[in-house]
Amino acid sequence: AQSVTQLDSQVPVFEEAPVELRCNYSSSVSVYLFWYVQYPNQGLQLLLKYLSGSTLVESINGFEAEFNKSQTSFHLRKPSVHISDTAEYFCAVSRNNAGNMLTFGGGTRLMVKP
Amino acid sequence: DSGVTQTPKHLITATGQRVTLRCSPRSGDLSVYWYQQSLDQGLQFLIQYYNGEERAKGNILERFSAQQFPDLHSELNLSSLELGDSALYFCASRRTDLEGGYTFGSGTRLTVV
Repeated sequence: AQSVTQLDSQVPVFEEAPVELRCNYSSSVSVYLFWYVQYPNQGLQLLLKYLSGSTLVESINGFEAEFNKSQTSFHLRKPSVHISDTAEYFCAVSRNNAGNMLTFGGGTRLMVKP
Repeated sequence: DSGVTQTPKHLITATGQRVTLRCSPRSGDLSVYWYQQSLDQGLQFLIQYYNGEERAKGNILERFSAQQFPDLHSELNLSSLELGDSALYFCASRRTDLEGGYTFGSGTRLTVV
């Protein structure tokens, strides 16, 4: 079985500052990695994913994440955050075989302050 | 609009009752996953169906059951409801169970009073 640990439950940051949301996973088999964002009173939206290939993946709104196999990490970063980035961020993994499901971390609440 | 439709959006019901949550997957997606999101448990996988067949089971209570119909929509049935069942229930769909991204619906918020 796989597991995901998001080390910070809350991350307060000022607008235009850089941010890193940490995610570590545990799995005995190869995995796919995902970051989802949940805005207040909304569903989960895919932010970015790592399936294979380049270990650095980027989203259209300036976020990026780097898959580090040796450290079993998939930290999410943004060089300059906006008020609108305030949301809950979930890291998730799935095995790359049949019947797989997403296993989520506990979530990190990003709070961007003016 | 993600393409995954969940109804109803909100549901308030009393303890002991039974409810049915519905999910219509994205067009062409064969696989449906159900998740429960609560403050104390976080996002927990409940059950997965693929093309009408149960494929995987997670932390789903015996009071809960699900099925996927020939038109690929899925229903999650919750019975003998308890206060602790109050949560946000998400459905996600995927093209198959090997490929494609997971697309989530906007969820059904269940409140048991």
